[in-house]
Amino acid sequence: DTGVSQDPRHKITKRGQNVTFRCDPISEHNRLYWYRQTLGQGPEFLTYFQNEAQLEKSRLLSDRFSAERPKGSFSTLEIQRTEQGDSAMYLCASSSGLAGPPDTQYFGPGTRLTVL
Amino acid sequence: GNSVTQMEGPVTLSEEAFLTINCTYTATGYPSLFWYVQYPGEGLQLLLKATKADDKGSNKGFEATYRKETTSFHLEKGSVQVSDSAVYFCALFVSNMLTFGGGTRLMVKP
Repeated sequence: DTGVSQDPRHKITKRGQNVTFRCDPISEHNRLYWYRQTLGQGPEFLTYFQNEAQLEKSRLLSDRFSAERPKGSFSTLEIQRTEQGDSAMYLCASSSGLAGPPDTQYFGPGTRLTVL
Repeated sequence: GNSVTQMEGPVTLSEEAFLTINCTYTATGYPSLFWYVQYPGEGLQLLLKATKADDKGSNKGFEATYRKETTSFHLEKGSVQVSDSAVYFCALFVSNMLTFGGGTRLMVKP
């Protein structure tokens, strides 16, 4: 069990560029979550996958954000036409789904995005 | 909607002092409640949880009791250590998502 990993750990981009983040959940975890955390705040839910199906999506998630989990393993989060307000830490979490909700969510280290 | 309110920090204590961090919530349905901790330079870690009213979660000397009548889940520890210095987040789980409070920074001085 190597934990949830995220790549890259840091990303600096210019306004208007597209960025993509990757999350590798704990092996065999079938639930995967994305959250966003701005400085001094708690994480905010963005979206949730069970296997490859995206089952929940926050109203906070604008059309510029898209997430995929094509084979029910790793996931990507893409932000198109980045804005300075997108600067935040993007967190990924996974859970086994075996015990039924609310099974424990294990968080990755996050990807810190800075939009200049 | 769902929301979590926790006391603002920073909370500064001397080693071996008693700790209470208040957390109250508003939720539709029957949430489960969590405390997560974020140590400096590290990711979020689950500290403890409670899944139904009157349940007590405990771990590493920390405790919290799910109080439905007061919609609260206050975190307590009898004797804090310098190593407990971190940011603590209260959260509720309902409808397939965690809703977090704003976090409380705890600083413990030797």
